[in-house]
Amino acid sequence: EDQVTQSPEALRLQEGESSSLNCSYTVSGLRGLFWYRQDPGKGPEFLFTLYSAGEEKEKERLKATLTKKESFLHITAPKPEDSATYLCAVQIRGSTLGRLYFGRGTQLTVWP
Amino acid sequence: GAGVSQSPSNKVTEKGKDVELRCDPISGHTALYWYRQSLGQGLEFLIYFQGNSAPDKSGLPSDRFSAERTGGSVSTLTIQRTQQEDSAVYLCASSTDTANYGYTFGSGTRLTVV
Repeated sequence: EDQVTQSPEALRLQEGESSSLNCSYTVSGLRGLFWYRQDPGKGPEFLFTLYSAGEEKEKERLKATLTKKESFLHITAPKPEDSATYLCAVQIRGSTLGRLYFGRGTQLTVWP
Repeated sequence: GAGVSQSPSNKVTEKGKDVELRCDPISGHTALYWYRQSLGQGLEFLIYFQGNSAPDKSGLPSDRFSAERTGGSVSTLTIQRTQQEDSAVYLCASSTDTANYGYTFGSGTRLTVV
């Protein structure tokens, strides 16, 4: 059965304290892995897409990496405005184009 | 408009009533998706539209749920005879044909069935 698991469920960091969020996946064939950020009361906001093992993408303090079994979202020197829920999702080969399978997310809190 | 617009933003309804949720996608986006986000759960796929047709409606949880899209634009998700377990945030997203750059989501409709 295809699965996407995110850990930890919640993470509290002090401002400037770098860390990583994990997304492990078990799918029959990966077409792409997506990271989104979701603020309370808002819809998810697209961050990155990764397609193959070894690929990396960066945006400001965030860097996403991909292996054959998992993806990491590294947060370097986070700021309070990075507080949000981070969602991981996969597109699976052979499934409807664009259909995403989401994990439950990691709720990140960065305190000053 | 510049983004995906959903209305209403909040809806409280009595058990057994019908509700309609509306999604206005980004102009020119041919693909439209509905997802449901329940408390403590991941986003759950409901239905996918390409233009006005729905090639994948496999995520609709029961025959009380239906959706349509007209003019390749606005979509309506209808829930008949609402139940308490239908309470959730209903999210709409749109994308270009290839969906390679990730969707753009609306802010959702929070549905509460009392």
